[in-house]
Amino acid sequence: DSGVTQTPKHLITATGQRVTLRCSPRSGDLSVYWYQQSLDQGLQFLIQYYNGEERAKGNILERFSAQQFPDLHSELNLSSLELGDSALYFCASSRTSYTFGSGTRLTVV
Amino acid sequence: SQELEQSPQSLIVQEGKNLTINCTSSKTLYGLYWYKQKYGEGLIFLMMLQKGGEEKSHEKITAKLDEKKQQSSLHITASQPSHAGIYLCGAALNSGGSNYKLTFGKGTLLTVNP
Repeated sequence: DSGVTQTPKHLITATGQRVTLRCSPRSGDLSVYWYQQSLDQGLQFLIQYYNGEERAKGNILERFSAQQFPDLHSELNLSSLELGDSALYFCASSRTSYTFGSGTRLTVV
Repeated sequence: SQELEQSPQSLIVQEGKNLTINCTSSKTLYGLYWYKQKYGEGLIFLMMLQKGGEEKSHEKITAKLDEKKQQSSLHITASQPSHAGIYLCGAALNSGGSNYKLTFGKGTLLTVNP
């Protein structure tokens, strides 16, 4: 157990729908990062939050948004889903090292 | 072009053989992480390197960061079937303390034949 918790593990939804992925960082870690892993693009950075504030943005679509709450857990919201959004979504937290959760596998049908 | 290049893309070795995976950057590496991933599963942290010339070992896996901090290698000694998986290097390409995004290579798929 890495200490970074992601839920749900699997999600199957239809095109056009909206889903929310949840991440709880390791105890004491203030930063949360979201990544998307697909077969063709590999592991791509989406967005980082630090202590509730957006710190850095990567290749995140406008249909996607995220936030970090006062208890430091984070949510990634994906809307108007398309088939191409099917991927593994990881969150990571960091302090002295960088630790990943076990991911959420999103399948859009 | 990729900011972080991993080579080889795939590797098939006989159990007991040694192997090396490389990770090369066109920019200075401010932190270099090695992870192992089974297909479709999470990333397992292996090692983190930060200082030029640093070398770390865990069991039969050794990782080095070269002096110029632009290349890292992962060496597995006497490979076993349990070493099979995808090896990913992730690098901090911008100095930013302990809070920074990682850029990843495409990964190296390792197969170890018994």
